[in-house]
Amino acid sequence: SAVISQKPSRDICQRGTSLTIQCQVDSQVTMMFWYRQQPGQSLTLIATANQGSEATYESGFVIDKFPISRPNLTFSTLTVSNMSPEDSSIYLCSVEDNWAGNEQFFGPGTRLTVL
Amino acid sequence: ILNVEQSPQSLHVQEGDSTNFTCSFPSSNFYALHWYRWETAKSPEALFVMTLNGDEKKKGRISATLNTKEGYSYLYIKGSQPEDSATYLCAPGNAGNMLTFGGGTRLMVKP
Repeated sequence: SAVISQKPSRDICQRGTSLTIQCQVDSQVTMMFWYRQQPGQSLTLIATANQGSEATYESGFVIDKFPISRPNLTFSTLTVSNMSPEDSSIYLCSVEDNWAGNEQFFGPGTRLTVL
Repeated sequence: ILNVEQSPQSLHVQEGDSTNFTCSFPSSNFYALHWYRWETAKSPEALFVMTLNGDEKKKGRISATLNTKEGYSYLYIKGSQPEDSATYLCAPGNAGNMLTFGGGTRLMVKP
C-alpha cells in the first residue's frame, strides 16, 4: 500500500493567517483527496486534487478558501486561507491505490488549532 | 449528500468481551463499503472494502458483513483487546470512489 506523509503534523495559528499543508506519497497515484474532521464531526471530503488541472471542490468548499496544488503524481498541498477558529480541524490527505482494489489510504493528518 | 449513520457513537467494553457496531447507509448509488480503524495521532487504517450483498470479510479477530439491499454493515470484534481501542469509521462509496464517512464508533477496551 502507498505510504503517505504530511507536514506539519500539527500547528497553532492566529486568526487571519494562512497555513499550507503538504502531502507526499511514495509512489505515483492518480487520485489524491483532501478531507477534514472538525471536532465531533465526520470526516468530510473537501476536494479532489487533480494533477495538471484545477481541483474539484465539494459543496460548501471553495478555491479561495482552500486553494490546492497538485504539481505531480506524488505531491499535493492544501492551503487554509484567512483562518478563523472554525477552521480548527484535523486535515487529512488520502490517495486511491489502483493496485489495491481502489482502496483509499490516508496520511497521518495535520491537527490545526486556530486561536 | 448521503446520510451515513453509525451506532453506537461510543462503546466501553472489558478486555475479552466481543462487540459489534452498525453502519447504515442509503442503498441507492452504492458501489462499495469501506471500514477504517483510526487511532489517535495515526493514519486511518483500511480494514475492509466490500461490494457484494452478503459479503463477509475477516481480518484476525475482526470481521464485517454487508447487506446492500437494506443498506447496512456490521463490524464484529471477537475477544476485544486494549489495542483495539480506536474509532471505527465506515464509508460507502459510489462508482467514482467518492467516500462519505459516518460519524464513527469510538471503542474503548478496558484491561
